[in-house]
Amino acid sequence: GAVVSQHPSWVICKSGTSVKIECRSLDFQATTMFWYRQFPKQSLMLMATSNEGSKATYEQGVEKDKFLINHASLTLSTLTVTSAHPEDSSFYICSAGEGAYEQYFGPGTRLTVT
Amino acid sequence: RKEVEQDPGPFNVPEGATVAFNCTYSNSASQSFFWYRQDCRKEPKLLMSVYSSGNEDGRFTAQLNRASQYISLLIRDSKLSDSATYLCVVALRYGQNFVFGPGTRLSVLP
Repeated sequence: GAVVSQHPSWVICKSGTSVKIECRSLDFQATTMFWYRQFPKQSLMLMATSNEGSKATYEQGVEKDKFLINHASLTLSTLTVTSAHPEDSSFYICSAGEGAYEQYFGPGTRLTVT
Repeated sequence: RKEVEQDPGPFNVPEGATVAFNCTYSNSASQSFFWYRQDCRKEPKLLMSVYSSGNEDGRFTAQLNRASQYISLLIRDSKLSDSATYLCVVALRYGQNFVFGPGTRLSVLP
């Protein structure tokens, strides 16, 4: 199957700082990527849809100014958590689909804000 | 009502047992259905797509009932390695984001 990578795999940062997470489709091009968040013992919740060359679409309740998404190329989308707070600590996962019938997930980024 | 609901679990079964997971979805316009498995602290991995005619892959059988908006997954002869959380996933349309169920945790015991 297709390969999606994420970087970093885990990050610890201080409250108030910003963290950038990269999502790359390694062997295919993805015009659309999705960003999910998963809190402990909960399921994945869609945060936003990242569209190459245009603005991301955010789900209700997700602050677009706090979670900045940039999808500058067909193989890379970035999620920047700005002014992170401890409640932003979570497992962030991106997905992309070649043809988008099946979605392939990145390995996830575990963010801990202290 | 949640868009996708699953058996709350957890399911603790002995090796070799047969276990069935149930899932219901609320949006009748949904087009694509999947079962994913997620191991602890890992990303979800596709287990199988679910087709209207039902499909089988080795010990795993998935079925879809569009009229009842119901999806099932049957695991036969369960192995220790089947221990994971099983996620029912629904997509509204081709190319749309996935909506995940809350997952059902399975523990297969020796």
